[in-house]
Amino acid sequence: GAVVSQHPSRVICKSGTSVKIECRSLDFQATTMFWYRQFPKQSLMLMATSNEGSKATYEQGVEKDKFLINHASLTLSTLTVTSAHPEDSSFYICSARDLKRGSPLHFGNGTRLTVT
Amino acid sequence: AQKITQTQPGMFVQEKEAVTLDCTYDTSDPSYGLFWYKQPSSGEMIFLIYQGSYDQQNATEGRYSLNFQKARKSANLVISASQLGDSAMYFCAMREGLQNAGNMLTFGGGTRLMVKP
Repeated sequence: GAVVSQHPSRVICKSGTSVKIECRSLDFQATTMFWYRQFPKQSLMLMATSNEGSKATYEQGVEKDKFLINHASLTLSTLTVTSAHPEDSSFYICSARDLKRGSPLHFGNGTRLTVT
Repeated sequence: AQKITQTQPGMFVQEKEAVTLDCTYDTSDPSYGLFWYKQPSSGEMIFLIYQGSYDQQNATEGRYSLNFQKARKSANLVISASQLGDSAMYFCAMREGLQNAGNMLTFGGGTRLMVKP
């Protein structure tokens, strides 16, 4: 079964509004979660590393004020797309790793964001 | 420079035949892990197989096997007895650093596999 839950799976919003995406680790604690973005027919590109209790680490070219990340607990990280524009339309996917089990990264099912 | 290279953007394979998806990587870290994920059209990422840089034997998981050639820095995925449900995007990925570190993955560009009936 799924070990990383991502919500919502699809969202449509209007330009200028904000959208929050949640990523939860279901049966393990994740001090670190990763947020990826995927354009159609392209690979996953790391946006940022979410660290529990501290600031996220953003990849070069990713606007931290636009993509707000909050990792408030050991099982939840949120990505908020602020003042969304149509070019923010994409597939966003989070991942986390159960370090205790030494498992590979588990991915959420992704969120398809469409900004109209 | 690309850290993970998948040179086959798309491939066809006949049902029940085997197929090899290529992946080459570049790292100077002696500790790393290589992963293959399957992404169906629905978008979720499904973990298939893992190979650690210090693993002596090639990894196998059911119909999936990883042809790990360390000197050539290649980690090709072999799918035996292809099934129609294998049609999907396949991503090779690498984690640099020790296994117990929560390091992020770097992905290749992906290969779209299409299985013909």
